[in-house]
Amino acid sequence: NAGVTQTPKFQVLKTGQSMTLQCAQDMNHEYMSWYRQDPGMGLRLIHYSVGAGITDQGEVPNGYNVSRSTTEDFPLRLLSAAPSQTSVYFCASSYSGRLNTEAFFGQGTRLTVV
Amino acid sequence: TQLLEQSPQFLSIQEGENLTVYCNSSSVFSSLQWYRQEPGEGPVLLVTVVTGGEVKKLKRLTFQFGDARKDSSLHITAAQPGDTGLYLCAGAGGYNKLIFGAGTRLAVHP
Repeated sequence: NAGVTQTPKFQVLKTGQSMTLQCAQDMNHEYMSWYRQDPGMGLRLIHYSVGAGITDQGEVPNGYNVSRSTTEDFPLRLLSAAPSQTSVYFCASSYSGRLNTEAFFGQGTRLTVV
Repeated sequence: TQLLEQSPQFLSIQEGENLTVYCNSSSVFSSLQWYRQEPGEGPVLLVTVVTGGEVKKLKRLTFQFGDARKDSSLHITAAQPGDTGLYLCAGAGGYNKLIFGAGTRLAVHP
């Protein structure tokens, strides 16, 4: 079972460049989300989606865009990368958005902005 | 804003010792989850606690949800090197908007 697949695993960007972090899940999950993980700060929610065509902002959405055209894919776009966006990014999916549902995480993308 | 504070931040112990990790908040959560994360991997769910006062056991791991549903603890008995990792608590902050604590990094030495 592939689960949640993120690509790339590592990326170095120059300030001002744009890029898309890919996330795909093969579990037919309705709910998908993006987190960033920074030292000493845990995981913070960037954006989430409750189904194809529906997205909403999380705790730290500035500088990021998302779209959800299919159930399987939930890409995260950095419009103009900044050093403050250096972080490890995790995509997660769950069967529904209901409380107590297990979230399945990808392996992460380590992004460095120089 | 709902916050979850975990303590301690770091824990370095010898194999066979017992330990407890705490997750505290001033807010009430409808449920709390505990995840374990290994280097280079995403978090993996260990347990979900829902009812105030609930205790769940997973082999040598014991999870407790406070009566007021504002805090939780994870107790590991006779820790083993395989328990090494980052332990994260997460509270349900809305429509599956998980709010994470900063984590406790555990190192168990043989």
